[in-house]
Amino acid sequence: SAVISQKPSRDICQRGTSLTIQCQVDSQVTMMFWYRQQPGQSLTLIATANQGSEATYESGFVIDKFPISRPNLTFSTLTVSNMSPEDSSIYLCSVARGTGASYEQYFGPGTRLTVT
Amino acid sequence: EDKVVQSPLSLVVHEGDTVTLNCSYEVTNFRSLLWYKQEKKAPTFLFMLTSSGIEKKSGRLSSILDKKELSSILNITATQTGDSAIYLCAVEASNTGKLIFGQGTTLQVKP
Repeated sequence: SAVISQKPSRDICQRGTSLTIQCQVDSQVTMMFWYRQQPGQSLTLIATANQGSEATYESGFVIDKFPISRPNLTFSTLTVSNMSPEDSSIYLCSVARGTGASYEQYFGPGTRLTVT
Repeated sequence: EDKVVQSPLSLVVHEGDTVTLNCSYEVTNFRSLLWYKQEKKAPTFLFMLTSSGIEKKSGRLSSILDKKELSSILNITATQTGDSAIYLCAVEASNTGKLIFGQGTTLQVKP
């Protein structure tokens, strides 16, 4: 498995501000991802965090709103920019471990964001 | 469009009952199917299935994949109140590690 930590664990922010969430893994991983889980919903992939290059965003998510950094193979950050109440969600980072055939994916503890 | 559907969406049982949760998928380039348990924030990994017909077991939980039917089931025997959670099914649809999640099944186990 993997030991993943996220900071902060929760925050309450005012609209129009930005929050940066950090994700730290206990060992090097090739694949890191950021997911969002809105209230009462399932998880939706925001982007793949690529080490040394720009993140790959899923449809509906853009870099200006969710800039991502991945300076090395154990650390990534997600920023939620210019927040609105609709951004209130749990944000989760995940890492994939495995062979080229299949990957087991593990999640961090999550960051619960409330925007007022 | 790739899709993962779980049923039922919610379920209430009593301790000791056996439950079966269902997951069906329509994806291109299926790689694997994963089951997670979510109690508070973070989904906890349960199983990863890649081959049809091979059951994976962990204690009272077991799961099997049917690639012909494009589905999987998660069984929980002798349920306990601690099994109360949301159970999520996800599919990796290509060799990218990206997961597509179902809506989840909310299981409540009453004493």
